[in-house]
Amino acid sequence: SQQGEEDPQALSIQEGENATMNCSYKTSINNLQWYRQNSGRGLVHLILIRSNEREKHSGRLRVTLDTSKKSSSLLITASRAADTASYFCATDADGAQKLVFGQGTRLTINP
Amino acid sequence: DGGITQSPKYLFRKEGQNVTLSCEQNLNHDAMYWYRQDPGQGLRLIYYSQIVNDFQKGDIAEGYSVSREKKESFPLTVTSAQKNPTAFYLCASRPIGFGTSGGSSYNEQFFGPGTRLTVL
Repeated sequence: SQQGEEDPQALSIQEGENATMNCSYKTSINNLQWYRQNSGRGLVHLILIRSNEREKHSGRLRVTLDTSKKSSSLLITASRAADTASYFCATDADGAQKLVFGQGTRLTINP
Repeated sequence: DGGITQSPKYLFRKEGQNVTLSCEQNLNHDAMYWYRQDPGQGLRLIYYSQIVNDFQKGDIAEGYSVSREKKESFPLTVTSAQKNPTAFYLCASRPIGFGTSGGSSYNEQFFGPGTRLTVL
């Protein structure tokens, strides 16, 4: 079952611009996480936001969480070519024993 | 890719054959996971294990089998019963319980580099 749905499916911007990706989910969560995947590689954890948090920052990343709307957004500021990757949101389920991943947003940063 | 290794990186299988994908971690993590990823798609959970000698089915367990005889190892067998096994397979692990940093990342999963399986 795919709980997280990312929007847009693909995003192409110029280097230096900000990139915003959105994630919606269906059921109550303990936390929501964002991961990055470079082409043909494993996923790398970016940031985790708990259900009682509304905003979190890590370097050029800013994540927001709106539990009333069951949605989250990931903002990457001052994008770089190296940010080109797919980004996935993931929510916990069944007492945090497993994660449910969304379909991902494919981000392309044009130099 | 942390302390998780997957082998081989590429694997080719003839129809009707079983094949085993290796996943090893030296992070002393209790939980391990297997995911399947199809082109342009997200990850779907195949099996997961919280402790040695115990594992649970995920969303798409049919045609797959696993074992957890050692804490550091969680091999996945793709059997001939799996009708469309061509995909990218990812293994992950995570510690269970609160971390030393105060629990802020205890649920983070660490991923291996993946194995790309192609059925000929």
